[in-house]
Amino acid sequence: QKEVEQDPGPLSVPEGAIVSLNCTYSNSAFQYFMWYRQYSRKGPELLMYTYSSGNKEDGRFTAQVDKSSKYISLFIRDSQPSDSATYLCATPGLIAGNKLTFGGGTRVLVKP
Amino acid sequence: EAEVAQSPRYKITEKSQAVAFWCDPISGHATLYWYRQILGQGPELLVQFQDESVVDDSQLPKDRFSAERLKGVDSTLKIQPAELGDSAMYLCASSNGQFANYGYTFGSGTRLTVV
Repeated sequence: QKEVEQDPGPLSVPEGAIVSLNCTYSNSAFQYFMWYRQYSRKGPELLMYTYSSGNKEDGRFTAQVDKSSKYISLFIRDSQPSDSATYLCATPGLIAGNKLTFGGGTRVLVKP
Repeated sequence: EAEVAQSPRYKITEKSQAVAFWCDPISGHATLYWYRQILGQGPELLVQFQDESVVDDSQLPKDRFSAERLKGVDSTLKIQPAELGDSAMYLCASSNGQFANYGYTFGSGTRLTVV
């Protein structure tokens, strides 16, 4: 089983809608999670990181960790066409400071 | 804002030829990573350096791939000979080790096409 898995999409939403992205992870002992955004033909860009459980908010972005169900989520409010990208979840797994393991990415398209 | 520099941005090479990619991490970052990302998939680690030492190269196809970071600063990833299946984006990333749990910074990548 992969450490993190995501639905590949694509996820198509109208401008202004809430985008909801999810990842599942394999081990309830994982504590750190990251969300990266990747535009076409570019490198991934770190959006947010979370530790343990609960919510973290940054502008229009909210990251959520549900340890009981081993689920992490990213919500994008008031979505814009510029949010059209692939979103990757990642975790260093059990070892602090370890290499990041990535999900396969979810492609998002925000239509004007 | 500090960036991870990679070159070239694009590379087209013929099967069986040699190809090399270069990465210059953010100044002061001791940990450097090379990832490969096949189109439509997430990045997968090829090799991790701590200073000039290899920490993890378990997923590096060592019969054809090599990586070095001689002075613990910039790094080169080489493929010889290239195969059609090596077509992918090659990404370099760096981190200040103690903050690796908060994510690390990627370069723009090198897109390799093997024909």
